[in-house]
Amino acid sequence: DTGVSQNPRHKITKRGQNVTFRCDPISEHNRLYWYRQTLGQGPEFLTYFQNEAQLEKSRLLSDRFSAERPKGSFSTLEIQRTEQGDSAMYLCAGEGVSGGPGEQFFGPGTRLTVL
Amino acid sequence: KNEVEQSPQNLTAQEGEFITINCSYSVGISALHWLQQHPGGGIVSLFMLSSGKKKHGRLIATINIQEKHSSLHITASHPRDSAVYICAVRGSGGSNYKLTFGKGTLLTVNP
Repeated sequence: DTGVSQNPRHKITKRGQNVTFRCDPISEHNRLYWYRQTLGQGPEFLTYFQNEAQLEKSRLLSDRFSAERPKGSFSTLEIQRTEQGDSAMYLCAGEGVSGGPGEQFFGPGTRLTVL
Repeated sequence: KNEVEQSPQNLTAQEGEFITINCSYSVGISALHWLQQHPGGGIVSLFMLSSGKKKHGRLIATINIQEKHSSLHITASHPRDSAVYICAVRGSGGSNYKLTFGKGTLLTVNP
């Protein structure tokens, strides 16, 4: 158990609906990352936060995607007007910052299926 | 060409065999990670390397910065080692936060 939790674990939705996922890292994780993984592929970077500041968004993150980390603790990822191509595993990872880059601790993921 | 390439994509072994998974990358890095992913999604960090060699139990990871290559070895493999093993790199300089992942190597260890 990495201490990072994600909810829900599974989400099935119809095309066009909005969905929101939540990630709760442990309190020491200053950095928080969102990744997306499709079947048979490695994860791909979506965005990351240092405390409450969103410091980078991937070009994979279209205008339909938005992420927040309002108090520098938990984070949410919202997808508006879902499309079938959004079906994937959405992973978050936390990282404590002490000096250089460190180990990332992954949550169990939220598997999204868009019908 | 992907920035991170792993080989082989699939690997089947008999229990007890010595396993090697390779990772090559094409960018400057500050660190390389080896990760394990079991069916159902959970990813566990095995190693973070910036030089040399690390060992943890039956797992050994090595990296050659000059050749931009890393290997993950599993000694005395066991069916519980069956999983996807993923290599990921962290960039250097201003991009040294996010990970860039390989596609993973699916390892199956038969009893």
